[in-house]
Amino acid sequence: EAQVTQNPRYLITVTGKKLTVTCSQNMNHEYMSWYRQDPGLGLRQIYYSMNVEVTDKGDVPEGYKVSRKEKRNFPLILESPSPNQTSLYFCASRPLGTLGRTGELFFGEGSRLTVL
Amino acid sequence: GQQLNQSPQSMFIQEGEDVSMNCTSSSIFNTWLWYKQEPGEGPVLLIALYKAGELTSNGRLTAQFGITRKDSFLNISASIPSDVGIYFCAGQGVMDSNYQLIWGAGTKLIIKP
Repeated sequence: EAQVTQNPRYLITVTGKKLTVTCSQNMNHEYMSWYRQDPGLGLRQIYYSMNVEVTDKGDVPEGYKVSRKEKRNFPLILESPSPNQTSLYFCASRPLGTLGRTGELFFGEGSRLTVL
Repeated sequence: GQQLNQSPQSMFIQEGEDVSMNCTSSSIFNTWLWYKQEPGEGPVLLIALYKAGELTSNGRLTAQFGITRKDSFLNISASIPSDVGIYFCAGQGVMDSNYQLIWGAGTKLIIKP
């Protein structure tokens, strides 16, 4: 089954304790992206990657890191989490070269993070 | 970053009613997309629009790509309980070579029992 898998789905942590949210897709998509969702603000892009070893900042990258060493994986790293990073996080992927259809993203089920 | 103006923010409707929501932008888009997020899930693509004036249906859902290329509309006819969720619009601009999406804040649809 084609899917984007995120782990963990739920996490409560404390300020300053480094954490990683993993994302893996089995559709051989070149493009992957991380979003955070907050009430009233919709989906805001954190980082994205057009392919292996190619990453770029989205709209809200501060406090986050990413890496893209393999095509299928795109982990989100919070080196020193703070309470304002409490949010619902989504990973998404899509193929890069689909002519004219570059917006059709496939989303994971989300990871709800609480930073105390 | 830029965000689309999506309205209404939320809707409380009776089962069987028709629903309308829309998104507007200050800039021109090449693509408009409508996603639905059900509780506890990630957004799922409902309808994609690629041409100004295009009207596309997906079952009881109909979406239109505005002729000015600055807006889009989503209509749901004869709503049912499983229509509950948050509906997001997203647009893809002409100037971004990486084809990044710009998102609306979402319309939360609640169906009164």
